[in-house]
Amino acid sequence: DVKVTQSSRYLVKRTGEKVFLECVQDMDHENMFWYRQDPGLGLRLIYFSYDVKMKEKGDIPEGYSVSREKKERFSLILESASTNQTSMYLCASGVTDTQYFGPGTRLTVL
Amino acid sequence: AQRVTQPEKLLSVFKGAPVELKCNYSYSGSPELFWYVQYSRQRLQLLLRHISRESIKGFTADLNKGETSFHLKKPFAQEEDSAMYYCALSGFGNEKLTFGTGTRLTIIP
Repeated sequence: DVKVTQSSRYLVKRTGEKVFLECVQDMDHENMFWYRQDPGLGLRLIYFSYDVKMKEKGDIPEGYSVSREKKERFSLILESASTNQTSMYLCASGVTDTQYFGPGTRLTVL
Repeated sequence: AQRVTQPEKLLSVFKGAPVELKCNYSYSGSPELFWYVQYSRQRLQLLLRHISRESIKGFTADLNKGETSFHLKKPFAQEEDSAMYYCALSGFGNEKLTFGTGTRLTIIP
């Protein structure tokens, strides 16, 4: 059974702080993804990675960066958090076009 | 550019009644279509994909290339079907998914 875990379920940060969201998968998947989920907007892709040290921008990469130093771990970084980054963040991993999602991190930026 | 449209944000259906969640897409090539579901307090998970042509939990979806649609249907709604449903699309050989904005389905007892 595929397991995707995210480091925190809930996170509260202040404007301007640097924020790290961690995601780990245990199925040796090549592909990993970060989305944000907002009511009325659905899931929007922030960044994805096809391999270690590889990354590609998704649809809304502004204000975010990512890191993939190991195959199982994909980190999302908010360099300077802003209130409009308050959202639910979902990580996913996958093979071919099937994605397996983590439980999500609800981030609130005050 | 690829795009997925789910015109209904909210849908309420009585238990035992038929359910249809609409999904339309825009894609210039040959798409692969999916339905993902998120039950309350659970993680998002794949419900079904058009290529497998199977019925999951009584749900089916047919890809209509002429109408560029992939509507999700179930003949008799059950209370446990209440959830958030997302339609998603990927291009052939492309692992990236484009999601619609989602439809929250509520089954009225």
